[in-house]
Amino acid sequence: QKEVEQNSGPLSVPEGAIASLNCTYSDRGSQSFFWYRQYSGKSPELIMFIYSNGDKEDGRFTAQLNKASQYVSLLIRDSQPSDSATYLCAVAVRRTASKLTFGTGTRLQVTL
Amino acid sequence: EAQVTQNPRYLITVTGKKLTVTCSQNMNHEYMSWYRQDPGLGLRQIYYSMNVEVTDKGDVPEGYKVSRKEKRNFPLILESPSPNQTSLYFCASAPTGTGGSQYFGPGTRLTVT
Repeated sequence: QKEVEQNSGPLSVPEGAIASLNCTYSDRGSQSFFWYRQYSGKSPELIMFIYSNGDKEDGRFTAQLNKASQYVSLLIRDSQPSDSATYLCAVAVRRTASKLTFGTGTRLQVTL
Repeated sequence: EAQVTQNPRYLITVTGKKLTVTCSQNMNHEYMSWYRQDPGLGLRQIYYSMNVEVTDKGDVPEGYKVSRKEKRNFPLILESPSPNQTSLYFCASAPTGTGGSQYFGPGTRLTVT
């Protein structure tokens, strides 16, 4: 079983819709959860992090964490073509900088 | 400008010829890390460093060495590269206490023939 699992996609959503990206993790002791965006040919960039159960909102992005179900998700509201990228979920066992485990990513396509 | 730099950006080499990929950051971050990215396997951590002279293995350390003699630099050394080390390599840095909020370098594409 992979430590961090994501559906590879592509996930296709029309412009203006909500994109929902999901991630599950296997280590129940994990404490820090991150979403990175990676455009083709570029390096990953941090979008959001979440430490506690529940929702965390930042602009059009909402991260949701459910530690009991070992599940973290990213919602993108009002999806734009510029959101088309691969979204990487990452998990760490501590809140301080430490070993970080990435999922393989979900490719999102926002269509006109 | 706050950034992580890597050199070289592209490298083609032959099996067994020692090479070093440099990584430098100007943000005074304590934490630095190396990853490789391969299709279908995603980003995998090779080594990381919590501070000067403190390094630890990630998920795929075999065939790689690192050193952290200065806070800003974290070179990745392949003493005897093999074709299975052909990959896209990223260096990243973060301030201590921010968990995985890492800043990534532009990447180094390495081909070993």
